[in-house]
Amino acid sequence: GDSVTQMEGPVTLSEEAFLTINCTYTATGYPSLFWYVQYPGEGLQLLLKATKADDKGSNKGFEATYRKETTSFHLEKGSVQVSDSAVYFCALPAGGTSYGKLTFGQGTILTVHP
Amino acid sequence: GAVVSQHPSRVICKSGTSVKIECRSLDFQATTMFWYRQFPKQSLMLMATSNEGSKATYEQGVEKDKFLINHASLTLSTLTVTSAHPEDSSFYICSARDSSPGPNQPQHFGDGTRLSIL
Repeated sequence: GDSVTQMEGPVTLSEEAFLTINCTYTATGYPSLFWYVQYPGEGLQLLLKATKADDKGSNKGFEATYRKETTSFHLEKGSVQVSDSAVYFCALPAGGTSYGKLTFGQGTILTVHP
Repeated sequence: GAVVSQHPSRVICKSGTSVKIECRSLDFQATTMFWYRQFPKQSLMLMATSNEGSKATYEQGVEKDKFLINHASLTLSTLTVTSAHPEDSSFYICSARDSSPGPNQPQHFGDGTRLSIL
């Protein structure tokens, strides 16, 4: 079945450091891919998405490129801020559909220190 | 942008109480909503898919009589935890997908409900 694997955390960085959170997937077909962010005590917010191979999703300085050849969707940011401290989830629609339930990775906790 | 309102944000109650959680899509219609459960420092686990006007679809291992789901309109789904016990304490999150035509509509999430059963 469809699955998402994220790099294990937690990840601790200093402010202005470069961030990479790895995400690889197995899926039927070529589903849309998503990154969600969860701030402490809150629900999830869509951070960015990509709908087809080679698409680059971007938002708030974060980027991720849909790599079909490596089945990856790594999240990157060139200069993190303390306010980026949160849990990040990579996700795809289960069953390869664009409208169904989501399959999430295990989440990566990011802590950014001043 | 799209907003999903989840209420209440926090509930503390005695064992044996039934608790209802509401999930509303505020500026879009959602024929399908999803209910997730999240344990501390873990990922989200899908509990059920809520379908407007029909029965919910539960994931394997989720007790449908324990977690009652009603999706009576295109903007409201409710989850009722019946006769809650301490092991039901968790963070419950709903999400809704915009039913408007168009591919790849993402899900929008509520802010979650922290349920604590004493």
